[in-house]
Amino acid sequence: DAGVTQSPTHLIKTRGQQVTLRCSPKSGHDTVSWYQQALGQGPQFIFQYYEEEERQRGNFPDRFSGHQFPNYSSELNVNALLLGDSALYLCASSLEWDRDTEAFFGQGTRLTVV
Amino acid sequence: AQTVTQSQPEMSVQEAETVTLSCTYDTSESNYYLFWYKQPPSRQMILVIRQEAYKQQNATENRFSVNFQKAAKSFSLKISDSQLGDTAMYFCAFMKHLRWYSTLTFGKGTMLLVSP
Repeated sequence: DAGVTQSPTHLIKTRGQQVTLRCSPKSGHDTVSWYQQALGQGPQFIFQYYEEEERQRGNFPDRFSGHQFPNYSSELNVNALLLGDSALYLCASSLEWDRDTEAFFGQGTRLTVV
Repeated sequence: AQTVTQSQPEMSVQEAETVTLSCTYDTSESNYYLFWYKQPPSRQMILVIRQEAYKQQNATENRFSVNFQKAAKSFSLKISDSQLGDTAMYFCAFMKHLRWYSTLTFGKGTMLLVSP
């Protein structure tokens, strides 16, 4: 089992550009959550996807959007990139009906906006 | 809204010694989960231990144990017999007890350095 995989691992973009990050959940998991972790901070919740729909959303602007595919994989899109969007983006997968199983995290995508 | 506070930005301990990391939280929920996650330089968040608020018994996992004080909203992590591999950022996290697997609210973290 490969666990949660994220791609790419590192990315450099210019202000104003758009970026897409990808996440494949752990086998058998159906829920995907995205977090932004700024340098020296704890992760902050962006949004969560279940059954291809955004179920919960944190305090992030509409420039942040996402998608979940029928195979449960997910994408995070950020439009009109700002310098402040530079961060580690973490994906976590979990099982919707079983709160007792832990969420598994990927190794993240390090996004640098220049 | 929930908040999680970790007041120790950095901690140091020598191998084989015991160290305690502090965490306090604020919530109006009566039932919830609390977690400690470890983030080594590889960046992957690894679950260390979890506690369900309705359980009075403190959770333990091998060398890791917690001191959960619900009334005080305190959730500290004790690491016994510290090992070099314990060097990492440690995050305390809160999760509401909902029908589905909810989202995590993290503290800012404590950097733990274990030295020989």
